[in-house]
Amino acid sequence: AQSVTQPDIHITVSEGASLELRCNYSYGATPYLFWYVQSPGQGLQLLLKYFSGDTLVQGIKGFEAEFKRSQSSLNLRKRSVHWSGAAEYFCAVGEGVTGGGNKLTFGTGTQLKVEL
Amino acid sequence: EPEVTQTPSHQVTQMGQEVILRCVPISNHLYFYWYRQILGQKVEFLVSFYNNEISEKSEIFDDQFSVERPDGSNFTLKIRSTKLEDSAMYFCASSAGAEQYFGPGTRLTVT
Repeated sequence: AQSVTQPDIHITVSEGASLELRCNYSYGATPYLFWYVQSPGQGLQLLLKYFSGDTLVQGIKGFEAEFKRSQSSLNLRKRSVHWSGAAEYFCAVGEGVTGGGNKLTFGTGTQLKVEL
Repeated sequence: EPEVTQTPSHQVTQMGQEVILRCVPISNHLYFYWYRQILGQKVEFLVSFYNNEISEKSEIFDDQFSVERPDGSNFTLKIRSTKLEDSAMYFCASSAGAEQYFGPGTRLTVT
């Protein structure tokens, strides 16, 4: 069964600092990997996805992620965090089949706090 | 930009009552999903739906749950007899392919 681990439950960074959020997955084949952000009282917004190909993927809001097959990871990065980035970040893995209907398995999330 | 919408944003119901949570997926999407998030826990898959039938469902999605696409735009989740442990945020999602787009959620409180 597929699974996702986000080792950091809480992270605090200063505004303007760089950020890296960790995500490790377990899946028997090539997975589809996603990062979502959930701001307080909001739904889940898709930040970026990795399916295959280039291991460095770009997302929205200045986020990027690097896929490392050897480490079964897709870590999310941002060069300079703004205070508005305080939110909960979820990594998810979907079955690596084309088309839709894939069940997503989510990690427990990383709560990001930004200090001014 | 098209988005998934959900109504109501908050639903309070008494234990044993039926509730229907409504979703309007993105119009050209063909795959629909329900997830839930109990307070403080991870987002969990409930069910996926395609071509007017359930594609996959989790162990959580027992006989008390049902889904329906009653017309060309709505996608509903019905809980027939709510329990206290059904209290959670319920998210609807839709996709044209592998990328799923989520609605803002319905917070269900069972008292």
